[in-house]
Order: sequence, then structure tokens, then C-alpha cells
Amino acid sequence: AQSVTQLDSHVSVSEGTPVLLRCNYSSSYSPSLFWYVQHPNKGLQLLLKYTSAATLVKGINGFEAEFKKSETSFHLTKPSAHMSDAAEYFCVVSDQTRNSGAGSYQLTFGKGTKLSVIP
Amino acid sequence: NAGVTQTPKFRVLKTGQSMTLLCAQDMNHEYMYWYRQDPGMGLRLIHYSVGEGTTAKGEVPDGYNVSRLKKQNFLLGLESAAPSQTSVYFCASTHRAGANVLTFGAGSRLTVL
Repeated sequence: AQSVTQLDSHVSVSEGTPVLLRCNYSSSYSPSLFWYVQHPNKGLQLLLKYTSAATLVKGINGFEAEFKKSETSFHLTKPSAHMSDAAEYFCVVSDQTRNSGAGSYQLTFGKGTKLSVIP
Repeated sequence: NAGVTQTPKFRVLKTGQSMTLLCAQDMNHEYMYWYRQDPGMGLRLIHYSVGEGTTAKGEVPDGYNVSRLKKQNFLLGLESAAPSQTSVYFCASTHRAGANVLTFGAGSRLTVL
């Protein structure tokens, strides 16, 4: 069974300082991994995804994440936080091999990390 | 703009009442999903559909029913609402399973008194 653990429920950073949101996963197969962002009272929007190509994945708005198989991690980073980055972030895992057929597809969401940016 | 549209955006129900949430997508996606979001719980899958006329249970299906009579629509029904169903509901869709990206609706906030 697959699972996702977001290690921090809340992260607070000052504007202009680096952001690190941590995610660990477990998967029996070759996973696809995603980060989604949710701004207040909005739906979720994809930031970036990993699907067994390059281990360093670049996303929108300056975010990137590195897939580390040995550590089963997929941490999200950004060099310099902006006020508009304040939102909730979700790490998501999908077992690509097991779910390639119809009727068995499910994503597993982490519980979310709320990012606050202090002016 | 193409995307996923959920109606209604807000609803207040009394315990025991019934209602239907509608999800419509105009991207010709095969797969559609209903999630609920509760504070500190992330998103949990209620039901999903891999094509017109097919539905399947997710992680938390009890108290909900769904139908996918048309490819573009996925309906979520509550036959007898309970306070435990107070939540924000999100619909999502994608072309295929696995690595494809989900497109989410803006959410429907349901309160059951």
C-alpha cells in the first residue's frame, strides 16, 4: 500500500528566505509524485510532478522538488519566498504500475502543510 | 475557459435532507473523482469513475452515492445528510490513470446542521 507523510503541518518563513516543505512516501512500485498548492477558498493546482524522468523537477512559480529514492523523499523547495506563496501544499503519490489498468486508480494525498510568509 | 465546474458552491442542509452535487468537465476526460477535504485530513477519495456508466468506491464511500450517466458529468448524492458530512467537496478529472495531472474544481462547501 502507498502512503504519504508530510512532516510539518505548518511552516512559517520570512519573505525572501528559502522555503522547504518535507514529504516522505512509501510505495510498492514505481511511484509518480506530485505537489499541489491550494490558495484560500480555491481548488488545488498542480505545482510539479515526478514521473521517473529527471530526479530534480522544476515547477511553476520558482518551486522545485527532488526525488530521492534512497530516502523515499520528495521535498519541495523555493530559494526565496514571496507573500503570494502563502497557501496549503499537498504532496501526492500514485502507484503508476499498479494503477495502469482501469478500475484501480487512486492517488494518496498527504495531510497538507500550511505555509505562512511573514512580511 | 476549459475546466471543472462544481455546483452549488455553498449549501446548508438539515440532518436527514438529501441533495446532489454536480461536477461538469469539458475536457473530454475519462476519469472523474469526488474528494472531501476536512481540516488536518488532506483529501480523501469518496467515489471515482473510469468512464461513462461506471463508478467505484474510494476510501470513504459510506453515506454517498454517485452516477456518471454522461461522460462530462459526475454527480455526488447524499440521500440522508448527517453532520459528519459537513465538509468541502472537490471534484477532479484526468485523461488517464497514473502520471496524468488532475484538474480540480473550485469546491463545494456543505454544512449539515
